[in-house]
Amino acid sequence: EAGVAQSPRYKIIEKRQSVAFWCNPISGHATLYWYQQILGQGPKLLIQFQNNGVVDDSQLPKDRFSAERLKGVDSTLKIQPAKLEDSAVYLCASRNRRTGGPDTQYFGPGTRLTVL
Amino acid sequence: AQSVSQHNHHVILSEAASLELGCNYSYGGTVNLFWYVQYPGQHLQLLLKYFSGDPLVKGIKGFEAEFIKSNFSFNLRKPSVQWSDTAEYFCAVNRGYNQGGKLIFGQGTELSVKP
Repeated sequence: EAGVAQSPRYKIIEKRQSVAFWCNPISGHATLYWYQQILGQGPKLLIQFQNNGVVDDSQLPKDRFSAERLKGVDSTLKIQPAKLEDSAVYLCASRNRRTGGPDTQYFGPGTRLTVL
Repeated sequence: AQSVSQHNHHVILSEAASLELGCNYSYGGTVNLFWYVQYPGQHLQLLLKYFSGDPLVKGIKGFEAEFIKSNFSFNLRKPSVQWSDTAEYFCAVNRGYNQGGKLIFGQGTELSVKP
């Protein structure tokens, strides 16, 4: 079974530029998550989708971050414009379960963003 | 707010030493508990998980963890570490039967095993 795919793996941009990250979850997984991991910290949830609907975006800085999952499969996370403090690894994860209850999240390799 | 605390930021051990990494969480209700590992250059992988039942859970590569509800703890153990266990370890929690599985992570513990 293929895992969670993400691209690009690395991205370097200057502040105020825009950037987009792509994620393809494990086939059939209904729930998709984007996490931000700043160096020295654990991952922090940015946004959660169930199919193509947003479940939780309470931690997403909506003035500059946006995300979509139009067909309920792959997803794109965008930052516009980027700030220095956005330098982090952006992780995508997915899980199978459609409703609440215990289940495991599977993580992709992440995209390491450096903002200069 | 729900939080997860890992006691050690960086642990250095020699091969064959025993390992215990501490994890405490703040949520008082039913929880699901996880330990993830990130080997150098690799993505986060599930080491073990606790949903219900026996509070002593066994994971991959000889790791185990014990859920002690009264202590709000889920400490990770391994009786004898190997050089290949060098990695960063993350404890994570989500609420049982919750709103959708959002994980709250600790800040991570970097483990360095000297050969």
